[in-house]
Amino acid sequence: GQQLNQSPQSMFIQEGEDVSMNCTSSSIFNTWLWYKQDPGEGPVLLIALYKAGELTSNGRLTAQFGITRKDSFLNISASIPSDVGIYFCAGTLIQGAQKLVFGQGTRLTINP
Amino acid sequence: GAVVSQHPSWVICKSGTSVKIECRSLDFQATTMFWYRQFPKQSLMLMATSNEGSKATYEQGVEKDKFLINHASLTLSTLTVTSAHPEDSSFYICSAMTSGRTDTQYFGPGTRLTVL
Repeated sequence: GQQLNQSPQSMFIQEGEDVSMNCTSSSIFNTWLWYKQDPGEGPVLLIALYKAGELTSNGRLTAQFGITRKDSFLNISASIPSDVGIYFCAGTLIQGAQKLVFGQGTRLTINP
Repeated sequence: GAVVSQHPSWVICKSGTSVKIECRSLDFQATTMFWYRQFPKQSLMLMATSNEGSKATYEQGVEKDKFLINHASLTLSTLTVTSAHPEDSSFYICSAMTSGRTDTQYFGPGTRLTVL
């Protein structure tokens, strides 16, 4: 099925560092969503992007909907221990589509 | 807003028994809910789309007779794992969409099912 290529698969950083992860696809996406999942929990929506070129912030998090509509990135500034978790990108392929296509996830580990 | 709950958060059952998992939208009405399954260190796998008042739409490879879905109201969908076996052990997560946007899903906290 349709895949989103999410990278990196894992990151090991020091507390206070900035983080960047991205998702790419060969297909055009209508919506990009970024979720964070803690162990044993469901994904929590961080940022939703609905227009090409859209740049949205949520506290220390910033995400952008790529102009080509085939990619999106998520940046985290000044990382803190509670940022640890798995980050998933997801999106819908066509307008009105309900199903989400998910990336494989980026596992973020922070050394204090 | 857009809070989704699941009950139970974890369940342990014997092989051959059935288990029901509830998914509720607490502060909005959800005409559509989704059920996912997640294996360790993997992404979410969509099992079925649940529409209020109609039959669920199952993804290819998902046994509809084993995973019974009922979406009886605008705030409640249930997943029943029938005649559960150890291979059904997994993390089950539901999600729901608000009426305002049909392209954004809010997830529940998940239910850990262990079949002995």
